[in-house]
Amino acid sequence: ETGVTQTPRHLVMGMTNKKSLKCEQHLGHNAMYWYKQSAKKPLELMFVYSLEERVENNSVPSRFSPECPNSSHLFLHLHTLQPEDSALYLCASSPPGQGASGELFFGEGSRLTVL
Amino acid sequence: AQKITQTQPGMFVQEKEAVTLDCTYDTSDQSYGLFWYKQPSSGEMIFLIYQGSYDEQNATEGRYSLNFQKARKSANLVISASQLGDSAMYFCAMREHMNQAGTALIFGKGTTLSVSS
Repeated sequence: ETGVTQTPRHLVMGMTNKKSLKCEQHLGHNAMYWYKQSAKKPLELMFVYSLEERVENNSVPSRFSPECPNSSHLFLHLHTLQPEDSALYLCASSPPGQGASGELFFGEGSRLTVL
Repeated sequence: AQKITQTQPGMFVQEKEAVTLDCTYDTSDQSYGLFWYKQPSSGEMIFLIYQGSYDEQNATEGRYSLNFQKARKSANLVISASQLGDSAMYFCAMREHMNQAGTALIFGKGTTLSVSS
């Protein structure tokens, strides 16, 4: 139990489908993140939300649409994806303030396959 | 731009031996933080250890220690007395300040560690 829960764990979708990934944390954290992990590439930061406001959008294509309705929930809406979008999508959260380390707490990821 | 480099795609070690995983970084910031994460096959990223740029002593957490050499911009992870359960992917990361509030981590490509009996 990591404290950050992602659903679904596995998702297969066609290029014309619309689906959503969900992330939930009840750790009292106020920042949440989406990362993409493709094979043989470093983790890529996609979106950062701090206090429910988006503070970073790392040149992510518009077919990925994040939503942060409150500090405990984060969604990634997917539509008209491409096969190269197949990857492990990791959600993370971090506590208020810089703290001693500012470490991120990760979920187990959602493995996405686009056919 | 900040950058993390891990030059070892894979490392092999026998049980009970120590292993060092390399990490170098590049930043113009005076204040920064360095992290190591472990990712088993389940996919979850597990935080292992943290080193602040102003920390005078190398960080240690149980069997994990961070060999921090600031002048060389290196932050190698040392795992002592390796165990079979240490087999996983290991990522070095650096804290990056966002334009507005908060920070995020940028990651290296990772090193796959295989521990054999």
